Amino acid sequence: GAVVSQHPSWVICKSGTSVKIECRSLDFQATTMFWYRQFPKQSLMLMATSNEGSKATYEQGVEKDKFLINHASLTLSTLTVTSAHPEDSSFYICSAPPGAGGNEQYFGPGTRLTVT
Amino acid sequence: KQEVTQIPAALSVPEGENLVLNCSFTDSAIYNLQWFRQDPGKGLTSLLLIQSSQREQTSGRLNASLDKSSGRSTLYIAASQPGDSATYLCAVTNQAGTALIFGKGTTLSVSS
Repeated sequence: GAVVSQHPSWVICKSGTSVKIECRSLDFQATTMFWYRQFPKQSLMLMATSNEGSKATYEQGVEKDKFLINHASLTLSTLTVTSAHPEDSSFYICSAPPGAGGNEQYFGPGTRLTVT
Repeated sequence: KQEVTQIPAALSVPEGENLVLNCSFTDSAIYNLQWFRQDPGKGLTSLLLIQSSQREQTSGRLNASLDKSSGRSTLYIAASQPGDSATYLCAVTNQAGTALIFGKGTTLSVSS
């Protein structure tokens, strides 16, 4: 099956700093990628949809100026958490359907962010 | 707005039992449904994908059924093993290439 990687797998940062998370599709092109967030003992919630070559679309309640998304190529989307606070500590995971309108979703391994 | 519910939230069974996990969704106009496994602190492992036109899918000891008209899916695990212990997530998508909507999951514990 298709492979999606994420980097880093975990990161600890101080409050007020910014953190960048990368999501790569390794063996397929993805015009769309999705970013989800999972708080402890909760399910995955969609944060935003990353579109190659255009602006991301954000779900209600997600601050677009805080969670910057860049989808600069067909294999890479980045999520930057700006001015991170402890309440941003969460598990961030990306997914992509292969191609345009692909059938199955392939998920990255996730990034554990801890803000101290 | 599509909502996905999973029952039970947690389940504990002895090794060897057959078990059923339930998933329901409010809008029957889904494109497909996926079942995932998530181990603590880890990412997702896709188990089974059922297209809206399909009734079931099987992989090894796992069988997933879909009744789109009633908005339900079940994941059947045969002869459970301690290694099956994990959280099982059900998710649907309403259109091709769109994001998944997840249930809160069922946390399964299989004791030896």
